[in-house]
Amino acid sequence: QKEVEQDPGPLSVPEGAIVSLNCTYSNSAFQYFMWYRQYSRKGPELLMYTYSSGNKEDGRFTAQVDKSSKYISLFIRDSQPSDSATYLCATGTASKLTFGTGTRLQVTL
Amino acid sequence: GAGVSQSPSNKVTEKGKDVELRCDPISGHTALYWYRQSLGQGLEFLIYFQGNSAPDKSGLPSDRFSAERTGGSVSTLTIQRTQQEDSAVYLCASSLVGGGAGDTQYFGPGTRLTVL
Repeated sequence: QKEVEQDPGPLSVPEGAIVSLNCTYSNSAFQYFMWYRQYSRKGPELLMYTYSSGNKEDGRFTAQVDKSSKYISLFIRDSQPSDSATYLCATGTASKLTFGTGTRLQVTL
Repeated sequence: GAGVSQSPSNKVTEKGKDVELRCDPISGHTALYWYRQSLGQGLEFLIYFQGNSAPDKSGLPSDRFSAERTGGSVSTLTIQRTQQEDSAVYLCASSLVGGGAGDTQYFGPGTRLTVL
């Protein structure tokens, strides 16, 4: 079993839809939770970062962490074609970061 | 300012040949990471350099893989006697102080390696 599980998709949604991306993790020692966005042929870029349970909002993006169930979510409101990318969750300790496989999202016009 | 740069962007090699991949981190960043990204496998940690400390090599898949970081800046990942299963995108990242998940990692665009 992988330490971080993420559905690879692809996920296709119409413009304006609410997108929900999810990951589960197995190590209760993981303290940091991140979402990276990766456009085709580019390196990942940090999108959201939190280290506590609960919600964190940044514009159209909301990251949610539930440590009791080891569940990480990213919500995208009013999705745009420019949101089309692969989204990778990442979690870990102070010494190591572990990534999910990434979910490929396609937002269509 | 300049981000993390990697070269070459693409590398095609024949099975059994050695390859060197280069990473130039963001100036002033003390930590440098190498990852491998294969289709459907996500980012696989390979090695981590932090300042002058001994590198964390726990992710290197075999002794054919090695990396060095000269002068605390540029890093080279070397794969000896390449195999077809080494085909992947190799990503480099740097961060200001290191510490794994506790410090934001900035990624380069990657080197796409194809072993024929």
